[in-house]
Amino acid sequence: SQTIHQWPATLVQPVGSPLSLECTVEGTSNPNLYWYRQAAGRGLQLLFYSVGIGQISSEVPQNLSASRPQDRQFILSSKKLLLSDSGFYLCAWGSRAVGTFGSGTRLTVV
Amino acid sequence: GIQVEQSPPDLILQEGANSTLRCNFSDSVNNLQWFHQNPWGQLINLFYIPSGTKQNGRLSATTVATERYSLLYISSSQTTDSGVYFCAVEPRAYNTDKLIFGTGTRLQVFP
Repeated sequence: SQTIHQWPATLVQPVGSPLSLECTVEGTSNPNLYWYRQAAGRGLQLLFYSVGIGQISSEVPQNLSASRPQDRQFILSSKKLLLSDSGFYLCAWGSRAVGTFGSGTRLTVV
Repeated sequence: GIQVEQSPPDLILQEGANSTLRCNFSDSVNNLQWFHQNPWGQLINLFYIPSGTKQNGRLSATTVATERYSLLYISSSQTTDSGVYFCAVEPRAYNTDKLIFGTGTRLQVFP
C-alpha cells in the first residue's frame, strides 16, 4: 500500500529564515505530487504540483518554491520566510485522483 | 475559475443524529472527492465520486454532475465524526488531476 511521509510536524521559524519541508512517498512509482497550504483552519490552496522528476507547476505567485529531485521526493522551500507564510502545509500524492495526504507541517513564522 | 461552495459552514449535532452536507460547483468536473480532516489535521479521502452514489458504512455520497452538486450523508453520527469535511473538484477545463477545495463544513458531534 502507498504511504506518504512528511516532516517535520511542527516548525517555528523567524522571519527571513530559510525553509525546507520534505515529503516522500512509498509504494508507488511516478506519482503526481502536490503541496497544499491551509490557512486559518479552512480551505486548502494548491501551491505546486509535479507530474515527474524536475517537473514543477506553480499555481499561485508566492514566496515559496518546490523541487522534485527524485521520483518519490517532493520538497517545499523558501529562501526568506514571511509572516504570511505561516500555515498548515500538506503534501499529497495521486494518480487519477488525489488519494493520500501526509500528516502535515504546521509552520509558524515569528 | 470554478467556484466550490459548501453548506452549512458549521454544524453541531448530538450523537446519533443524521446530517446532510452539500457541495455546489459552478462548472463541469472530471472528478469530485470528499475528505474528512480530523481535529489533528489529518486529511482522509472518503469518496471518489464524480457521479452516482456510493456508500461506506454510515457514510454515503451522491453526485449529480448534470446539476453540479454533491451530497454527503452521515447517519447515526459519532463523536469521532467531528472535524471538517471538504469537497474537492477537478475542473474539466484543467484536464489534469488538480483539485480545487471548497471552504469546508465544520462538524461537531457531542455525546
